[in-house]
Amino acid sequence: DAGVIQSPRHEVTEMGQEVTLRCKPISGHDYLFWYRQTMMRGLELLIYFNNNVPIDDSGMPEDRFSAKMPNASFSTLKIQPSEPRDSAVYFCASTTTVGDTQYFGPGTRLTVL
Amino acid sequence: GENVEQHPSTLSVQEGDSAVIKCTYSDSASNYFPWYKQELGKGPQLIIDIRSNVGEKKDQRIAVTLNKTAKHFSLHITETQPEDSAVYFCAASRGSARQLTFGSGTQLTVLP
Repeated sequence: DAGVIQSPRHEVTEMGQEVTLRCKPISGHDYLFWYRQTMMRGLELLIYFNNNVPIDDSGMPEDRFSAKMPNASFSTLKIQPSEPRDSAVYFCASTTTVGDTQYFGPGTRLTVL
Repeated sequence: GENVEQHPSTLSVQEGDSAVIKCTYSDSASNYFPWYKQELGKGPQLIIDIRSNVGEKKDQRIAVTLNKTAKHFSLHITETQPEDSAVYFCAASRGSARQLTFGSGTQLTVLP
């Protein structure tokens, strides 16, 4: 079975540019989570969706960040404009309503110069 | 909200020895406690979890214990092997796997 798929795996961009990270959850999973991982702050939950609807976005750092889930098999996390402090590894994870385990994707390493 | 503290931040053990990582949580309503292993360049992977109605759970060389009264839970790895070297994260949540709060991680190094 394919796990959670994220693209791109690495992204290098310049400050002020728009960045879009993509995630495909495991088929049949109805919860999707976006996390950010940094040395300073560890793993932080940014936002999560249930049945494509955003449930809690209190972890989104500021208005420059936005996330969408237009259908059950695709989600995006957008940063516009990007700043150097956004440099981090961004993970997507998914799970089911009746399950416990969150399955993580391989992550996108974002570097903003 | 929930706060999870994890110790130690780094741990080195000789191959074959045991390793113990400890976490404390603040929210008495938390009832689900997973442990994740993250290898270099990969996403975290669940290795074991425990619910608040259970005090201990084992899976081969890995065990987790939970003390609800003290709000402590621990990961025990016995007979460590070099492939156990990774970063380990504890987490806590209310109500299954929603909104996990992670600890800060422990870099485990198993020396051959």
